[in-house]
Formats: sequence, C-alpha cells, structure tokens
Amino acid sequence: GNSVTQMEGPVTLSEEAFLTINCTYTATGYPSLFWYVQYPGEGLQLLLKATKADDKGSNKGFEATYRKETTSFHLEKGSVQVSDSAVYFCALVYNQGGKLIFGQGTELSVKP
Amino acid sequence: DTAVSQTPKYLVTQMGNDKSIKCEQNLGHDTMYWYKQDSKKFLKIMFSYNNKELIINETVPNRFSPKSPDKAHLNLHINSLELGDSAVYFCASSPQHSNTEAFFGQGTRLTVV
Repeated sequence: GNSVTQMEGPVTLSEEAFLTINCTYTATGYPSLFWYVQYPGEGLQLLLKATKADDKGSNKGFEATYRKETTSFHLEKGSVQVSDSAVYFCALVYNQGGKLIFGQGTELSVKP
Repeated sequence: DTAVSQTPKYLVTQMGNDKSIKCEQNLGHDTMYWYKQDSKKFLKIMFSYNNKELIINETVPNRFSPKSPDKAHLNLHINSLELGDSAVYFCASSPQHSNTEAFFGQGTRLTVV
C-alpha cells in the first residue's frame, strides 16, 4: 500500500543553520507530494507541493524536489529562523478518493 | 475570510455523551474530509465526501457519523464518547477528490473525561 516515512524528531537547530528533513514514500503510480506545516496550536498549512517527477516545490525559503528514482521528497532550507519552529509533515495523495497519507511528522525547534 | 472553519475549537465532555463538530468551507470545493490527529501528532483520514456523497470511510467505529447537508458543510457527530476518542479533529476540503492538496481548518481539540 501507499505510505510515507519521514525522519524522526525532534530536530533542534540554531538560528541560521541548514535544515534537511528526509521523506521517502511508497506508492503505486505517480502520486502528488506535499509538505505541510503545523505551528503550535494551529491547523495544517500547505508549505509546498510537487505533482510530477523532478518538480521542485518552493515556498518561504523551503524547497523539496520530487525524486522518482529514490522515491524521496526531502525538505530543505538554507537558513532557519526561530519562527520556523513547528511540526512538518510529508504527505502524498493518489487516486484514492483524494485522501492524504501523512508521514509521522517531524518536530523542528530553532533556538536563537 | 476563513477558508475552512470548524467549531468548536475546544470541546471537553464526559464519557458517554454525544457531541457534534461543525465544518464549513467557502472555497467552492467539491470534496471535504475529516482527519484525526492523535496524541503523537499522527494524522489519519476518517471520512471523505464528494458533493455530499460518501467516498471514503476508513474503518471508523460507527459511533462516528458524518453528515453533509450540502457540499460546503461536513459535520461530524460522535455518539457515546469514549476516552480514546480524545484527539484533535481536522476538517479539510479540496477542489476534487484526486491528486490535489487539501486545505485544513484550525482543528477541534476533543477531550473526553
């Protein structure tokens, strides 16, 4: 079946450090891939997306590239800020009624 | 204007009670969802409706009954609440029911005591 695995947290970084959160997926066919972010006490917000192989999604300094050959969609940011502290979810959607399949979430804490 | 809004934001209730959570979207989307987030932050779909028709029912106990009076609303009614129902419930919507992102509400934190 379809599934998403992302690196476990929590991840603690200093401000301006480089961030990578790994995400790999298992899916039949060609899913669309997403990163969602959940700030403390809030709902999920779409951070970026990619709908086909080699697409790069980007937003707010975050980037992720859809790698079909490695079935990965790693999230990166060159210089994190304290305000980036949140839980990040990798997810895929395929033709199964539109349901999103989420990874387990990675909590990021950025210290000043 | 809030795109996907759900009420209430917090709900504390006793075991055995019946409660409802309401959800409305003003995005003109055809598909709406309910997701459950457990205490470890894991998110799992419960239901999906497309134009008021049930598309997905993910082995959720039948104490949970979604109701979609129109395509802009998807409410969740829960009977005979149990301690294990304590979680954050998210409503979401998307333009169609395949291969598109979903837009989420702020969540309802349900605590059963």
